[in-house]
Amino acid sequence: EAQVTQNPRYLITVTGKKLTVTCSQNMNHEYMSWYRQDPGLGLRQIYYSMNVEVTDKGDVPEGYKVSRKEKRNFPLILESPSPNQTSLYFCASTTWGAGELFFGEGSRLTVL
Amino acid sequence: KQEVTQIPAALSVPEGENLVLNCSFTDSAIYNLQWFRQDPGKGLTSLLLIQSSQREQTSGRLNASLDKSSGRSTLYIAASQPGDSATYLCALRLNTGNQFYFGTGTSLTVIP
Repeated sequence: EAQVTQNPRYLITVTGKKLTVTCSQNMNHEYMSWYRQDPGLGLRQIYYSMNVEVTDKGDVPEGYKVSRKEKRNFPLILESPSPNQTSLYFCASTTWGAGELFFGEGSRLTVL
Repeated sequence: KQEVTQIPAALSVPEGENLVLNCSFTDSAIYNLQWFRQDPGKGLTSLLLIQSSQREQTSGRLNASLDKSSGRSTLYIAASQPGDSATYLCALRLNTGNQFYFGTGTSLTVIP
């Protein structure tokens, strides 16, 4: 089954404790991206990757890091989380042609 | 920067009614437009993808149209059912750049 898998789905952490949210896709997609979704603000792009070792900032990259060492994986790293990073996070992927965007189930992060 | 607007933010209709959801955008140089459905606390499920060269796409009771000249897309839902209750989002990819732009969604409630 074609899918985008995120882990963990739910996480409560404390300010300053480094965490990583993993994202994996099994569709051989070149393009992968991370979004955060906040009430009233919609989906905002954090980072995206056009292919292995190629990443770029989206609209709200501050406080986040990413890496793309393998085509199927695109982890999101919060080096020192803060309460304003409490949000619902989504990973998505697509073929960079006429393909549709596929989303993971989301990861709800709470930073205390 | 591309602005994507979805009005109304919320809509409540009786079961069986036909309805139209709107998505407006400011930059007509779009590559494709995608409609998604999101259930509370869940990920985004792709409903329809319209390429720039297309005017509409249909899937079952859903029909999406695209008018680049007026900066508008509509999602038509025929014979609405309570199971259609969800938030509907549109997303655009432009001809230039590597990002997707999302509307803030329309929350639909279909009353039995």
